[in-house]
Amino acid sequence: GQQLNQSPQSMFIQEGEDVSMNCTSSSIFNTWLWYKQDPGEGPVLLIALYKAGELTSNGRLTAQFGITRKDSFLNISASIPSDVGIYFCAGLNYGGSQGNLIFGKGTKLSVKP
Amino acid sequence: EADIYQTPRYLVIGTGKKITLECSQTMGHDKMYWYQQDPGMELHLIHYSYGVNSTEKGDLSSESTVSRIRTEHFPLTLESARPSHTSQYLCASSRSFGYTFGSGTRLTVV
Repeated sequence: GQQLNQSPQSMFIQEGEDVSMNCTSSSIFNTWLWYKQDPGEGPVLLIALYKAGELTSNGRLTAQFGITRKDSFLNISASIPSDVGIYFCAGLNYGGSQGNLIFGKGTKLSVKP
Repeated sequence: EADIYQTPRYLVIGTGKKITLECSQTMGHDKMYWYQQDPGMELHLIHYSYGVNSTEKGDLSSESTVSRIRTEHFPLTLESARPSHTSQYLCASSRSFGYTFGSGTRLTVV
């Protein structure tokens, strides 16, 4: 079935540093989504991308939908302690997998104050 | 303000008990989902529904069952809980692309 390879699996960064994570797949997706999950909570949608090549920002977050439609990245600028959590990418292919989102395995972000 | 509600938030029960995890949404979404997630780990789809009277099993085999009698309600039931069922259970709903998740139920079976 379709799979998303999300990397890195985890990262420790210094407060104020920029963060970059990405998702790749052997399959084409029509939509890419990025979620953040705080400890003990459900994932919350951060950014949605609908078009190949699209670059979208949400505050300090920037995400891009790869031109090949097989990848996406998320950047966080000037990280702060509240950025701690797990970040999940998700892809949607309208024609496959019953139309359900496919989730990556997550990137666990820890920030040193 | 949450539009999708899960109860209880935390549950500790004994082995062999029957339990139902509740999930309700007020957004009128047709599609609803149940995910199982061990702490800090990936999400595993265990059940989904595309509408009333429609339920399907997900990618991860689960001993739980679900029902969808009303659009807004998608409960998950374990007939006989076991320690291997200890996990976090997340409910989600969607109309088209993005899923809205509930806060989850953390289940511990002792």
